[in-house]
Amino acid sequence: QQQVKQSPQSLIVQKGGISIINCAYENTAFDYFPWYQQFPGKGPALLIAIRPDVSEKKEGRFTISFNKSAKQFSLHIMDSQPGDSATYFCAASLNKLVFGAGTILRVKS
Amino acid sequence: EAGVAQSPRYKIIEKRQSVAFWCNPISGHATLYWYQQILGQGPKLLIQFQNNGVVDDSQLPKDRFSAERLKGVDSTLKIQPAKLEDSAVYLCASSLSVPGNTIYFGEGSWLTVV
Repeated sequence: QQQVKQSPQSLIVQKGGISIINCAYENTAFDYFPWYQQFPGKGPALLIAIRPDVSEKKEGRFTISFNKSAKQFSLHIMDSQPGDSATYFCAASLNKLVFGAGTILRVKS
Repeated sequence: EAGVAQSPRYKIIEKRQSVAFWCNPISGHATLYWYQQILGQGPKLLIQFQNNGVVDDSQLPKDRFSAERLKGVDSTLKIQPAKLEDSAVYLCASSLSVPGNTIYFGEGSWLTVV
């Protein structure tokens, strides 16, 4: 019930394309869903987050889509750039963050 | 604003030896976390402090891991004795309070147990 399942494990996208990463959860009590971006040798950094009373949140090229009934949420990166190449983690929180396993994104120039 | 500071950045030890990691959170952040990140996996919470009290240590292997946060600021995570499977990055993080506030991570302390 505390797990967050993330897919795909890795993703290769052409520059300018759309990157899509998906996550699913079981615990309906989760009330906060952030996405973190991690570059090699660095700690994770908050990218964007959503609460379950909203179905979509957009910040620049990054959008979270949230489907409460399906218990799924996804990250969309529009106009993907080589600088977006990193590992992305979804997470869910009630009183503590539970992370997905991560998606390694590579944007080819 | 200074970020979360951690040291040492890298440590190699033999199994059964001990190691300690230090963390200085962002100034004013009441909540401090230690996460373990094994290569290819997401971070896993080991322990969470609110000021100098433990909020959650349910996933801390207490037979070998210990952590303290004296005076509600800096924290130390100790492993004794280390096992091969403890090889991981140990991430310290902090936030203003829980729940729902942004959690800021340090760059991590990389541990290799040989």
